[in-house]
Amino acid sequence: NAGVTQTPKFRVLKTGQSMTLLCAQDMNHEYMYWYRQDPGMGLRLIHYSVGEGTTAKGEVPDGYNVSRLKKQNFLLGLESAAPSQTSVYFCASRAPGLATEETQYFGPGTRLLVL
Amino acid sequence: DAKTTQPPSMDCAEGRAANLPCNHSTISGNEYVYWYRQIHSQGPQYIIHGLKNNETNEMASLIITEDRKSSTLILPHATLRDTAVYYCIGKTNRDDKIIFGKGTRLHILP
Repeated sequence: NAGVTQTPKFRVLKTGQSMTLLCAQDMNHEYMYWYRQDPGMGLRLIHYSVGEGTTAKGEVPDGYNVSRLKKQNFLLGLESAAPSQTSVYFCASRAPGLATEETQYFGPGTRLLVL
Repeated sequence: DAKTTQPPSMDCAEGRAANLPCNHSTISGNEYVYWYRQIHSQGPQYIIHGLKNNETNEMASLIITEDRKSSTLILPHATLRDTAVYYCIGKTNRDDKIIFGKGTRLHILP
């Protein structure tokens, strides 16, 4: 199992450009999440999905869109990148149910720099 | 989610037990206490969780007070590789999402 993988690992954008971050998991998890982490800060939830075809807003959803067309993939889109979106983006997944199955598994992160 | 309070940073000597406190005075009866840690530049990693009873696994022990208003994560023999930010989170089985706070930055001193 590869677990949770993220593509790309690093990207530089100019203000106004668009891009899509891809998160993939091979654990057949229902729930997937996108977080951002700014330097010296904790993780903040952007959007999440509780199943294929569903998405929901987290704490800081503005400026981002997401799609969950396939169970194993969760895409995070930036339509018009801004310098304030410079951050490290983490994807996570989990299998809901009993508390023993509630562990979130995180990807390695995508480092995004918007100039 | 229960609001949790953690000290921003702590130091611990290598080889000693690291005891990380967490206050969760508003925790409800069905909220579990979860602990994650984040080593520099990596994604967070699950450590342990508990409801009422103390728990132990290969990574750590979790001590929850009888009134469940606070807990302590114990790393029995801290090593330099345990240097990380440790997050304490309250969550029920019905919560769809986990909200991370700022955590405790643990420095292991050689």
